[in-house]
This record gives sequence, structure tokens and C-alpha cells, in this order.
Amino acid sequence: DTGVSQDPRHKITKRGQNVTFRCDPISEHNRLYWYRQTLGQGPEFLTYFQNEAQLEKSRLLSDRFSAERPKGSFSTLEIQRTEQGDSAMYLCASSFGGGGYEQFFGPGTRLTVL
Amino acid sequence: GQQLNQSPQSMFIQEGEDVSMNCTSSSIFNTWLWYKQDPGEGPVLLIALYKAGELTSNGRLTAQFGITRKDSFLNISASIPSDVGIYFCAGQLLAGNNRKLIWGLGTSLAVNP
Repeated sequence: DTGVSQDPRHKITKRGQNVTFRCDPISEHNRLYWYRQTLGQGPEFLTYFQNEAQLEKSRLLSDRFSAERPKGSFSTLEIQRTEQGDSAMYLCASSFGGGGYEQFFGPGTRLTVL
Repeated sequence: GQQLNQSPQSMFIQEGEDVSMNCTSSSIFNTWLWYKQDPGEGPVLLIALYKAGELTSNGRLTAQFGITRKDSFLNISASIPSDVGIYFCAGQLLAGNNRKLIWGLGTSLAVNP
């Protein structure tokens, strides 16, 4: 049974650089979510896809952030011109669209912006 | 953003003791989820609750969906060292029209062997 996977697990970058993260959801799940988590906080919602359609974006998702899910399978989250405040754990989750709200998370990508 | 009130913030207990934590809100929820997160990892789903009054167990874990739909609790019986971690509650608002979850700030559990 393959769970949600994320790549890379860790990313260190310099301020101003662009970074891209990948998420592969559980294969039969049509919903995919991106969250950001900082120390001592719960996950903060960033955006949500149903199949390839991006249905909601948080106000946290500034114009430097963009997410795609081109074929309704894997998703990418890109951060342009990274800032030190972008340092966080970026979590991806997926769920089955049959009515349940259970979201299953990947291991996360830890981003450090120097 | 909106958050759930989760308490206690942290707990330090002896191995073998029972643990109880809860989440409350002023809003009505139609779903409560409890997750455990280890350092450097993503949250792992423990229990999902969908009906007011529902009591669900998963091994030594028991969770209940409050009758008022505004709260939930999680109990861990006979704690063991591997129970160490941060426990989060998350809920879906009854009035919500999307799948976004509202999260508590977590309860950090430490178990002394």
C-alpha cells in the first residue's frame, strides 16, 4: 500500500531562489491539499485540488506561490523569489472524494531559506 | 485564521498512565479528526468521527464526538514510550462548503519510561 509521498524531504536554498516541491497522492484519491506548518503550530491550509482543478487558495498563498496538478495525479508547489519567512514544513495530503473528510498526509518537505 | 482550542498544550506522564486531551470550538463541526505527528514527519490519522455522540476506539485510543458538535476528546490508555509526539485535532465546519480542515495547536505528549 503506497501512501502519500513528497520530494524532496529537505531543501536548503538561498533567499531569492526558486524552489519546487512534488507530491504524489494515494493513487485512488482525487483530492489533494497543500499545507504549511511552522514550529508549534498546526498545519495551515494553502490550496486544494479536486482532480486537476484548483478549487481554493488561501490568502497565505501569495503571488510568489503557485501550485499545479496538470493531470489530476501528482502536484507541484513552486515558490518564487524565496524569503526567509518561507522557511517551514510543506505538507501534502490527499483524500478520496467519496464524501469522507479523512486526509492522509505525506512526510513533508522541510524548507530552509538562508 | 480560525483555530480550535486544544488542551492541554503539553503533558508529561509516567508510562502506564492514561491520557486525556480535548478540543473545543464555538462553531459546529460535522467531522472531527485526530492526528499524531512525530518530529520531522507528517501527521498520521488516528481516528475519524462523523456523528454527534459517536465513540470510536483504535487500540488503546478512544475518541468521542461531542453531543453539541462543538467539541471532541481523545483518550490514550496505558501509555507507552512510543506514544510520545504531538496530537492534533482537526475538524470540518458544518457550514463549510469545501474540504478545508480547521486545526488545533496540538498537545505535546512526553512519556517517562
